[in-house]
Amino acid sequence: DAGVIQSPRHEVTEMGQEVTLRCKPISGHDYLFWYRQTMMRGLELLIYFNNNVPIDDSGMPEDRFSAKMPNASFSTLKIQPSEPRDSAVYFCASSFNRGRTEAFFGQGTRLTVV
Amino acid sequence: TQLLEQSPQFLSIQEGENLTVYCNSSSVFSSLQWYRQEPGEGPVLLVTVVTGGEVKKLKRLTFQFGDARKDSSLHITAAQPGDTGLYLCAGVPDRGSTLGRLYFGRGTQLTVWP
Repeated sequence: DAGVIQSPRHEVTEMGQEVTLRCKPISGHDYLFWYRQTMMRGLELLIYFNNNVPIDDSGMPEDRFSAKMPNASFSTLKIQPSEPRDSAVYFCASSFNRGRTEAFFGQGTRLTVV
Repeated sequence: TQLLEQSPQFLSIQEGENLTVYCNSSSVFSSLQWYRQEPGEGPVLLVTVVTGGEVKKLKRLTFQFGDARKDSSLHITAAQPGDTGLYLCAGVPDRGSTLGRLYFGRGTQLTVWP
């Protein structure tokens, strides 16, 4: 299996622009997580899905952030409009629950908003 | 407020030294995981502990889950430069947690010098 695949690996955008991050989870995994990592705050959970349904989005910082999972093999995290304080590394992770909660992470998207 | 507190936050040692890092909480966890993250990569699972008092070994790494399932430690014997990375603990609380949600500590950044 190729693991969790995220794109793009790096994104530089101007303040106010829309940014879309993409994730393909491991086939067969029924949980998908979006995290944001910064030096100041560490790894923060933004939102997670179970069987394509959002379960907990309490970590989404503002209405500027939205996430979708239209099917079991694809998810997006969108920021509109982007701000410099959104600069961070965004990770997608997936897991196969059934009593196990180990998460498999993608390589992340490094977002820089200038 | 972090559910899992890790200490120390930073650790810089010479090759060959032993070290222990800690992961503590006031909450009881059904399981705890340890991950290692290298620069530019996502966290990678090292081990999962599920039983109070459990000890698991992975080569020079020894993981222990506290008897009360509120804390865990990671001990590295004869550290090597390849052990350098960010060590994260993560777990699912026994109560009050939405199914499948994994909470992360902020990590211990370990640097091992040759």
